[in-house]
Amino acid sequence: GAVVSQHPSWVICKSGTSVKIECRSLDFQATTMFWYRQFPKQSLMLMATSNEGSKATYEQGVEKDKFLINHASLTLSTLTVTSAHPEDSSFYICSASAGYDEAFFGQGTRLTVV
Amino acid sequence: GDSVTQMEGPVTLSEEAFLTINCTYTATGYPSLFWYVQYPGEGLQLLLKATKADDKGSNKGFEATYRKETTSFHLEKGSVQVSDSAVYFCALSKAAGNKLTFGGGTRVLVKP
Repeated sequence: GAVVSQHPSWVICKSGTSVKIECRSLDFQATTMFWYRQFPKQSLMLMATSNEGSKATYEQGVEKDKFLINHASLTLSTLTVTSAHPEDSSFYICSASAGYDEAFFGQGTRLTVV
Repeated sequence: GDSVTQMEGPVTLSEEAFLTINCTYTATGYPSLFWYVQYPGEGLQLLLKATKADDKGSNKGFEATYRKETTSFHLEKGSVQVSDSAVYFCALSKAAGNKLTFGGGTRVLVKP
């Protein structure tokens, strides 16, 4: 199956700093990428949908100025958590789609803000 | 809006027991239905899917049948192994490659 690589797998940052998470489709061109957030022992909540070369579409309640998403190429999307706070600590997962089949998931990034 | 409801866990079983995880959905139109599995500390892996009514998805001994009349997509496995311990998510999508709506997840623990 298609491979989606997410980096880093885990990161610890200080409160007030920014963190960037990368999501790469390694063997296919991803026209659409999705960013999800998962709280401990809970389900995945869609944060935003990004299409290559255009602005991301954010779900209701997600702060677009806090969670910056860039989808600059067909193989790379980035999520930047700006001015991180402890409540932003979570597991972030991306998925990528070529548009004609199911989306493939990265391995996730565990963010801890201290 | 669209939603997916699945049974709460944790579900604790002995090895070789029969596993059922119930999943029902609410959606307009004809969504595709999925089961994903998440092992500890990892992302999600597609387990199986069904794209139309009466389709049966199967993989690694797991099966689920798309039942439009009951809006259900229950996951079953006849004989579980310790390695099946994971969290299982039921999900739906309204279009190929589109965003997924997930159920709450069901944690399954299989004991030797």
